Amino acid sequence: EAQVTQNPRYLITVTGKKLTVTCSQNMNHEYMSWYRQDPGLGLRQIYYSMNVEVTDKGDVPEGYKVSRKEKRNFPLILESPSPNQTSLYFCASTWRRGGNTGELFFGEGSRLTVL
Amino acid sequence: AQRVTQPEKLLSVFKGAPVELKCNYSYSGSPELFWYVQYSRQRLQLLLRHISRESIKGFTADLNKGETSFHLKKPFAQEEDSAMYYCALCGTSYGKLTFGQGTILTVHP
Repeated sequence: EAQVTQNPRYLITVTGKKLTVTCSQNMNHEYMSWYRQDPGLGLRQIYYSMNVEVTDKGDVPEGYKVSRKEKRNFPLILESPSPNQTSLYFCASTWRRGGNTGELFFGEGSRLTVL
Repeated sequence: AQRVTQPEKLLSVFKGAPVELKCNYSYSGSPELFWYVQYSRQRLQLLLRHISRESIKGFTADLNKGETSFHLKKPFAQEEDSAMYYCALCGTSYGKLTFGQGTILTVHP
């Protein structure tokens, strides 16, 4: 079954304690990206990756890091989480062929609370 | 900079009534526009994209470059259409994808 899998689904942590949210897709997609969803602000892109070892900033990258060492994985790293990073996070992926792109497949979301 | 605006946070209609969810965008080039939908307890999923020019679940959306809009329409709303709807814009490089604030549609029986 085609899937985008995020872990953990729920996490409560404290300010400054480094954490990683993993994202894995089994569809051999080139493109992967991270979003955060906040009430009244909708979905905002944090980082995206066009392919292995190719990443770039979205609209709200501050406080986050990413890496794309393998095609299937795109972890989101919070080196020193702060309460304003409390949010619902989504990972998504899609294919790219030449100038064409497919639809985004989303994970189920990871709800993060930073105390 | 690219921007997407969905002016209505909440939209309520009765079953069988027409519905229109508004989406306006700002982008200097030729964007690709999408509508994504999130039903209760389900993942966010693509509803339609402007280059497909197709109707999905009775919904249509036309890209109006003059008014920089991509409104989503359905002539007869159904209760199962109740969901959160996001309009999204992708520039020519496709990397950066910008979503609107979302509109919660509630269709009453």
